[in-house]
Amino acid sequence: RKEVEQDPGPFNVPEGATVAFNCTYSNSASQSFFWYRQDCRKEPKLLMSVYSSGNEDGRFTAQLNRASQYISLLIRDSKLSDSATYLCVVRGTGFQKLVFGTGTRLLVSP
Amino acid sequence: EADIYQTPRYLVIGTGKKITLECSQTMGHDKMYWYQQDPGMELHLIHYSYGVNSTEKGDLSSESTVSRIRTEHFPLTLESARPSHTSQYLCASSASEGSNSPLHFGNGTRLTVT
Repeated sequence: RKEVEQDPGPFNVPEGATVAFNCTYSNSASQSFFWYRQDCRKEPKLLMSVYSSGNEDGRFTAQLNRASQYISLLIRDSKLSDSATYLCVVRGTGFQKLVFGTGTRLLVSP
Repeated sequence: EADIYQTPRYLVIGTGKKITLECSQTMGHDKMYWYQQDPGMELHLIHYSYGVNSTEKGDLSSESTVSRIRTEHFPLTLESARPSHTSQYLCASSASEGSNSPLHFGNGTRLTVT
């Protein structure tokens, strides 16, 4: 079983739709969680950190469920520019190595 | 916006050549990383560093080597490039303090070995 698992998608949604991605992690001692966005052939860019109480940044909302060991990302009012791959990232223990999920691809169409 | 720089952006080189991929950051971060990513595939950690004179191998075995003589620089070297080394190489850094420090990525080096 992978340490971090994501549905690879693609999720095809129309503009204006609300879409949610989940990501599960296996290490219950994981300390910190992030969502990154990666455009085709570009480097990953931090979208948002995920806090225990949940957090929101504009149209994006991230939630953490420690009991069930998953994090989620909700995107409201999808824009064409939201089309990208969304990477779930979890920091483990020890060196606090970051573990990347394989990513969920989102395609927003007109 | 970028405070972490990678050069070259693209490199096409013949088999057997020695190459060095440069990575520099101006954020004073202690931790630096090298990831390898094939198109449409996940990132794989190949090297990381806690700080100056510290280097460790990552999860994915790699024939490359790294050095960390200065905080700002974390170059990656391939002594003898092979077609199997063709990939995108991404350098990243993060602050030491706090477990919630995210990674900041450079814009990558796309390597093609012919």
